[in-house]
Amino acid sequence: DVQMTQSLSYLAASPGESVSISCKASKSISNYLAWYQQKPGEAYKLLIYSGSTLQSGTPSRFSGSGSGTDFTLTIRSLEPEDFGLYYCQQYYEKPLTFGSGTKLEIK
Amino acid sequence: EVQLVESGGGLVQPGRSLKLSCAASGFTFSNYYMAWVRQAPKKGLEWVATISTSGSRTYYPDSVKGRFTISRDNAKSSLYLQMNSLKSEDTATYYCAREAKPLHWYFDFWGPGTMVTVSS
Repeated sequence: DVQMTQSLSYLAASPGESVSISCKASKSISNYLAWYQQKPGEAYKLLIYSGSTLQSGTPSRFSGSGSGTDFTLTIRSLEPEDFGLYYCQQYYEKPLTFGSGTKLEIK
Repeated sequence: EVQLVESGGGLVQPGRSLKLSCAASGFTFSNYYMAWVRQAPKKGLEWVATISTSGSRTYYPDSVKGRFTISRDNAKSSLYLQMNSLKSEDTATYYCAREAKPLHWYFDFWGPGTMVTVSS
């Protein structure tokens, strides 16, 4: 199985700052990577797929980069509504696997 | 508006069975692959099953293969997960999710989840 590692389980930042969340795959997954956001009391939301393609409705301050094994989700100029949990998922092969999540909190 | 609403969760003893349902609305259900994803308490997400548009093809990870069965009723816009021989490690919130595009294996809409607790 492809192991997805999000090395940072917790990240604190202030509104207006930029942050990057990393995700590393145990083998090359090309760009078959999605990013999701979860906020308390809300359903999971797809932010980015194919490593860097913004899902419809995702604000342009979000961006995704990477290919192969190393991927990054960047959020420029954090807004209060951006705080929550972020997960990566590989869909290069089955079983589909997810990272362990990064919790982005307000500093 | 796309809506997915799961139901059927609850407390069940180890070794017993439980069937989850997901009611879909706001889109043409029969056009989309659908899936179940779960999250154990304080743990990450785990893909559980995917079903094709017609229901003819199903996919599972080894952790549930042979115990869980995903199915769908396109006439009712409903997705199901039959869970047999439940184990304590199946305790999780179970989410119904829509695959963004057939065979693209990522999920563009999720339900709020239903909690399953396996305990004696």
